[in-house]
Amino acid sequence: EIVMTQSPATLSVSPGERATLSCRASQSISSDLAWYQQKPGQAPRLLIYGASTRATGIPARFSGSGSGTEFTLTITSLQSEDFVVYFCQQYHNWPPGFGGGTKVEIK
Amino acid sequence: QVTLKESGPVLVKPTETLTLTCTVSGFSLNDARMGVSWIRQPPGKALEWLAHIFSTDEQSYSTSLKSRLTISKDTSKSQVVLTMTNMDPVDTATYYCARISRTAWSRAPYYFDYWGQGTLVTFSS
Repeated sequence: EIVMTQSPATLSVSPGERATLSCRASQSISSDLAWYQQKPGQAPRLLIYGASTRATGIPARFSGSGSGTEFTLTITSLQSEDFVVYFCQQYHNWPPGFGGGTKVEIK
Repeated sequence: QVTLKESGPVLVKPTETLTLTCTVSGFSLNDARMGVSWIRQPPGKALEWLAHIFSTDEQSYSTSLKSRLTISKDTSKSQVVLTMTNMDPVDTATYYCARISRTAWSRAPYYFDYWGQGTLVTFSS
């Protein structure tokens, strides 16, 4: 079973600044990685798939990169609605596993 | 418009069997490109994948929970049902159903493009 590890658990960033979130897989998953955003009381929303492809309607300030075992979600010019929780998910093998999440908070 | 909606009991008692229903619209459970998973999230914690059903009725289960889970679907009702036996307070969570949509049939896992709103399952003493 592939284990997904996200870091940091909490990231403090000022509005308008850049946030860089990391996700590491315990073995190579090629580019089979997705990122989700979750606002309080809501279901996760797909942001990125294939490690770097933005889902429909996702603003260009969200970008993903990486392959193999190391992945990054970058959010440029943070808006107020971006200060929420983000999860990564691998879909290279069953079971599809999620990282523990990164909470982006206002500095 | 694709939607998924979970329904089921809000409160359960220890040792009971939980039955959750996911009613979908905007796509067919018979479509070879589609599949539906159940995923749960304890309060303030991470997401945990539970089970998946393919258009062919093939299933895949979490290794750690396999003995307690059954996933099935009723295509005529556009519903996917999850049962979890021997419920315990540690199973307190919001339970989501979510869709995968591929370009062609495959047994491989995928990302989830649409999610239900989730249903919170808690315990009564």
